Amino acid sequence: DQQVKQNSPSLSVQEGRISILNCDYTNSMFDYFLWYKKYPAEGPTFLISISSIKDKNEDGRFTVFLNKSAKHLSLHIVPSQPGDSAVYFCAASFNNNNDMRFGAGTRLTVKP
Amino acid sequence: GAGVSQSPSNKVTEKGKDVELRCDPISGHTALYWYRQSLGQGLEFLIYFQGNSAPDKSGLPSDRFSAERTGGSVSTLTIQRTQQEDSAVYLCASSVSGGEYTQYFGPGTRLTVL
Repeated sequence: DQQVKQNSPSLSVQEGRISILNCDYTNSMFDYFLWYKKYPAEGPTFLISISSIKDKNEDGRFTVFLNKSAKHLSLHIVPSQPGDSAVYFCAASFNNNNDMRFGAGTRLTVKP
Repeated sequence: GAGVSQSPSNKVTEKGKDVELRCDPISGHTALYWYRQSLGQGLEFLIYFQGNSAPDKSGLPSDRFSAERTGGSVSTLTIQRTQQEDSAVYLCASSVSGGEYTQYFGPGTRLTVL
């Protein structure tokens, strides 16, 4: 079953604007959430994470918001840059790392 | 320092053949994971090694899949009697320990079964 869902396979944004990537999960036991970025022919790289005890975590241009009641998290990138164009995976984990589940990914294209 | 490396980067094989995929984790990382990404799908967890503990094999899709980790470092994922549905990118990741959430991924091995 797909416990982590990214319902938008793709997103296109103009350079300088905000990119909002969404992720929904079904298992309320998840207590840690991560975003990974993946360029073609490379493995995913860690971007930002948030613990379930928080509702927001910010790192430079990247902010992750967590809404536990809605089982929803989002990644905001502002301002978006062409180099941000990649596939973004949402991941969720509980208890320990080996239970991490990934979404299907959203391909972000930032147009100059 | 060196990141996670995987070999080969691409593998084309015929249905029914066995294949071995290799992963070299980051030195000192005790936790090692294998995932696969089929076309249009997210990353699917396959197996997890943590130190000398028995591996978590709960994600392996069938008994044709097996993995070893020798000396707590290099890992080999073996797929026996490959099927076309095994075609995917196989990704290896390592982390400092099983309790460390950040995983560092290798570039993956693209497996194509004809």
